[in-house]
Amino acid sequence: AQSVAQPEDQVNVAEGNPLTVKCTYSVSGNPYLFWYVQYPNRGLQFLLKYITGDNLVKGSYGFEAEFNKSQTSFHLKKPSALVSDSALYFCAVMNDMRFGAGTRLTVKP
Amino acid sequence: NAGVTQTPKFHILKIGQSMTLQCTQDMNHNYMYWYRQDPGMGLKLIYYSVGAGITDKGEVPNGYNVSRSTTEDFPLRLELAAPSQTSVYFCASSYAGQGYSGNTIYFGEGSWLTVV
Repeated sequence: AQSVAQPEDQVNVAEGNPLTVKCTYSVSGNPYLFWYVQYPNRGLQFLLKYITGDNLVKGSYGFEAEFNKSQTSFHLKKPSALVSDSALYFCAVMNDMRFGAGTRLTVKP
Repeated sequence: NAGVTQTPKFHILKIGQSMTLQCTQDMNHNYMYWYRQDPGMGLKLIYYSVGAGITDKGEVPNGYNVSRSTTEDFPLRLELAAPSQTSVYFCASSYAGQGYSGNTIYFGEGSWLTVV
């Protein structure tokens, strides 16, 4: 059964605007939630994770994510997008080592 | 800082041939993983290992085999290659796995495999 979903294949935003990349999950017990980024022809790089504690998690490159237990979501956000943020973003539920299908973020100048 | 190293980076294989993708990590991680990445499908777990001598199937193990004779190395073998195995393969490692899932997984740069 799918335990992590990224409902958008593609997200387009203008540089300087806020961005959101959505992720929802389904696990029994406490979720261990991660975001990774993949640049072209490269491996995945860790951005941030939620294990426990504060629902708002801050990570690399100015990204943050908000854990929402009632909505079973873990959306990735950034207040002001950069062209260099354009990449493929993956949400993951490490309880069963599953990754979402990925969301391609394109930031236009 | 080598991290997780995969070889080869690119390879073309003929249908029915076999080959091994090599993976080594120098972080003394006990857990290692092999994923495949197909467009629009995200990453699918092929096999994983929780330590030397121990391996287990992931979501899509058919057509593959692994071994873990040392902590550092986790090769992936493709037997009787099929076009459906055309994909990008990622090796990864972490200090712990499902026992404590909060540890970060570190990925190699990927191996692009084409079966023709």
